[in-house]
Amino acid sequence: DARVTQTPRHKVTEMGQEVTMRCQPILGHNTVFWYRQTMMQGLELLAYFRNRAPLDDSGMPKDRFSAEMPDATLATLKIQPSEPRDSAVYFCASGPPIQMGNTIYFGEGSWLTVV
Amino acid sequence: AQSVTQLGSHVSVSEGALVLLRCNYSSSVPPYLFWYVQYPNQGLQLLLKYTSAATLVKGINGFEAEFKKSETSFHLTKPSAHMSDAAEYFCAVTLSSFSGGYNKLIFGAGTRLAVHP
Repeated sequence: DARVTQTPRHKVTEMGQEVTMRCQPILGHNTVFWYRQTMMQGLELLAYFRNRAPLDDSGMPKDRFSAEMPDATLATLKIQPSEPRDSAVYFCASGPPIQMGNTIYFGEGSWLTVV
Repeated sequence: AQSVTQLGSHVSVSEGALVLLRCNYSSSVPPYLFWYVQYPNQGLQLLLKYTSAATLVKGINGFEAEFKKSETSFHLTKPSAHMSDAAEYFCAVTLSSFSGGYNKLIFGAGTRLAVHP
C-alpha cells in the first residue's frame, strides 16, 4: 500500500533549536508539496517541487525556513532557528506525473511544538 | 489565480439526515477539484475528485459531489449521515499541468461536520 511517509510524527523542541522534517514521497511521484496547518491560518502551502526542482516557495518564511529535495525519495523542511509561532502540523503530499494519474496523497503529518 | 470558498465553518446534522457541505471555486481555466476529510489528529484523506470527466463524482463512504460549471460549485453530499462522518472536510482546487505534474493545490478553510444522535 503506497503512502507518503513523514518523520518525525511528533516533535517538541525549545525555541532557537533547529528542526528538520523529512518526507518520503510515493515511489514514482514527481511533485512534492509542503503544507502547514494551524487553527488560525488553516492549510497553507509553504513550497512545492517538481522533479526535485522548487517551483514555488513563496509561502515560506525565507529567513528561517528552507526546503530541499536531495533526491527523488526524500524531501526535507528545515526551520532554523525555530520559534513558538512555528508550532503547527506540517504535511507533506505527493502527486504523480499527470499522465500516470491525478490524485495527490498526503502523509500523516509532523506535529511540531516549539516551547 | 485559483481560490476556494467553503460556506459554513461548522455544520451540524442529525444522524440519518442529509449532509450538504458547500464549496465554490474560482478559476480562469477548467480546474481539478477535490474533497479531503481529516479526522481528529490525523492526516488528510481523499474522499473524491473531479478531473473533467463525469460531473457527478462518487467517492468513499457514500459521499458524492457534483461539478456545476455554471454555478462554479462543487458541493459535497451524503444522503444519510453517520456518527463516524464527524470530521473536518476540505475542498481544494488545482490545475493540471501540461509540463508533467500538478500545480499547487489550494485549500478552502474547511468545514467541521458534527453529527448528533
